[in-house]
Amino acid sequence: EAAVTQSPRNKVAVTGGKVTLSCNQTNNHNNMYWYRQDTGHGLRLIHYSYGAGSTEKGDIPDGYKASRPSQENFSLILELATPSQTSVYFCASGVTTSAETLYFGSGTRLTVL
Amino acid sequence: QQQVRQSPQSLTVWEGETAILNCSYENSAFDYFPWYQQFPGEGPALLISILSVSNKKEDGRFTIFFNKREKKLSLHIADSQPGDSATYFCAARDTGYQNFYFGKGTSLTVIP
Repeated sequence: EAAVTQSPRNKVAVTGGKVTLSCNQTNNHNNMYWYRQDTGHGLRLIHYSYGAGSTEKGDIPDGYKASRPSQENFSLILELATPSQTSVYFCASGVTTSAETLYFGSGTRLTVL
Repeated sequence: QQQVRQSPQSLTVWEGETAILNCSYENSAFDYFPWYQQFPGEGPALLISILSVSNKKEDGRFTIFFNKREKKLSLHIADSQPGDSATYFCAARDTGYQNFYFGKGTSLTVIP
């Protein structure tokens, strides 16, 4: 069973502050993804990575940066957090195949005041 | 632009009935369609998936019907159980193995 661990589970930040969300996977998957989930929008892709050292912009990258320092770790960084970034964030990992399965973490609930 | 659309937004069925969740898409390059199940407080988990070369995929009580010409698919949950109460997301990916596009989800409630 694939294991994807996110931290923290909950986070309260102030507007203008820096926030880092962390994700670790122990299954040696090449691909990692960051999604945000909002009511009425489903899951939207922020950034993704195909391996250590690589990051790519997803559909809604504005206001976010990503870092993939190793195969196992993928971070999402909000340099200047805004209330519009209040959301639930999910990290996922997978392997590129014709039928890729995404393995999701349990999510981080971020509130920006 | 919403690449993947789901309907209904919410669905309530009685235990034992068949729940039908619908999904449609715009991009004819999409060739892989997974369905994810999400319980409150958890991340989504793969439930069942289908490649566009097939028109039907079964896994126990869960069946996907796929119509490539109409760009539609549906998830049928037979003999629905209260434990099936969750949000279901239809997703799609194109032949270039690029990003997944998710629908907004259908919230299913199964009444005992």
